[in-house]
Amino acid sequence: QVQLVQSGAEVKNPGASVKVSCKASGYTLTDYYMHWVRQAPGQGLEWMGWINLNSGDTKYAQRFQDTFIMTWDTSITTAYMELTSLKSDDTAVYFCAAEPGGTSRNDHWGQGTLVTVSS
Amino acid sequence: QSALTQPASVSGSPGQSITISCTGTSSNVGSHNRVSWYQQHPGKAPKVVISEVSKRPSGVSNRFSGSKSGNTASLTISGLQAEDEADYFCCSYGDGDTYVFGTGTKVTVL
Repeated sequence: QVQLVQSGAEVKNPGASVKVSCKASGYTLTDYYMHWVRQAPGQGLEWMGWINLNSGDTKYAQRFQDTFIMTWDTSITTAYMELTSLKSDDTAVYFCAAEPGGTSRNDHWGQGTLVTVSS
Repeated sequence: QSALTQPASVSGSPGQSITISCTGTSSNVGSHNRVSWYQQHPGKAPKVVISEVSKRPSGVSNRFSGSKSGNTASLTISGLQAEDEADYFCCSYGDGDTYVFGTGTKVTVL
């Protein structure tokens, strides 16, 4: 069974960057994609992008193309997301979610990481 | 892509059936059978209840079913139970190898 454990809550100033980790264990994530999804307080889910854990290929939602970076460290089976030039409306819970390739089904989710952007 | 459109809230009594709609466009829901539905309880991570329009993942109650017609997908919960009270989000694969979520529906069990 895949388990995803994310890093802890962060508080950042506007204009700063934040990096969140997502440690995968319990299964070899061959042919998986890792998605990142965020949820602002009291709001819905917003898809941010995916990374192919085999090839490292990435796809970003258009609005995040310039400020969002996803990476995967195979040696420690950990995914990272970095969001730069933070603004107050980036305050949200950020989730990683693992999709068995080609299913478009996020079977496994991290517990979420709250990122608060405030001066 | 703009968020898929869902009703803000749907309610029903225990034992009843409810249906949640999810309307997109010909660039996402209408042209791909890769629509999934997620259930989210307060403070928890989402959980997939339907994938590829109508497939139920292992362990999900058979009270959950999905369908699609044109640009609109639907999730039906039959035999409504108290534990079904949650937020539900649809999600569709779309052009450009991207995904988009729905606006979300709060289900209340009366």
